[in-house]
Amino acid sequence: DTEVTQTPKHLVMGMTNKKSLKCEQHMGHRAMYWYKQKAKKPPELMFVYSYEKLSINESVPSRFSPECPNSSLLNLHLHALQPEDSALYLCASSGLAGFGEQFFGPGTRLTVL
Amino acid sequence: DAKTTQPPSMDCAEGRAANLPCNHSTISGNEYVYWYRQIHSQGPQYIIHGLKNNETNEMASLIITEDRKSSTLILPHATLRDTAVYYCIVRVAHYGQNFVFGPGTRLSVLP
Repeated sequence: DTEVTQTPKHLVMGMTNKKSLKCEQHMGHRAMYWYKQKAKKPPELMFVYSYEKLSINESVPSRFSPECPNSSLLNLHLHALQPEDSALYLCASSGLAGFGEQFFGPGTRLTVL
Repeated sequence: DAKTTQPPSMDCAEGRAANLPCNHSTISGNEYVYWYRQIHSQGPQYIIHGLKNNETNEMASLIITEDRKSSTLILPHATLRDTAVYYCIVRVAHYGQNFVFGPGTRLSVLP
């Protein structure tokens, strides 16, 4: 199984809502990533987890809260988002952080009203 | 900032080879060249990577110049499904090193 899955595919939320994005992989990878991609722009790294511990936070606002409950799961908790946070949120995984190729999920299209 | 430069867009006729160039003139000796592509509204897809030697897999070939300052991704027989944004990325294999995506090349395969 070389697939990274993400749920939901689409999410619409208000600025006062709390929601979560979910990512799952069953390739035995020990590194997982969250990226944000605005329209017509390249993906930008948000967070890196290595062996279930947060290793990189690219100065992301605290209204985005990542969580790695186990080696196969990665969540991104959202609270008090702004309309400018509307974007495609991509999850990826790799065998080890910093080595080899990353496998990306299909993304969650988030719209903040 | 991305360490590579790519043309913003290219066209290719269906069935012909698509040759996508990438300039990485400041590449260091231990940095790999990776290629990804992103079809509209999907997640990026890994294509191929290499260090010094040319590489080939079922999707594409990667030609790296001897001085490693540039490379070319070759899709031997482009199809309409190859229409996508293609990203060239250089990265050292080391803990803490991550992919930095540049704007990429938007390849349009025309019928």
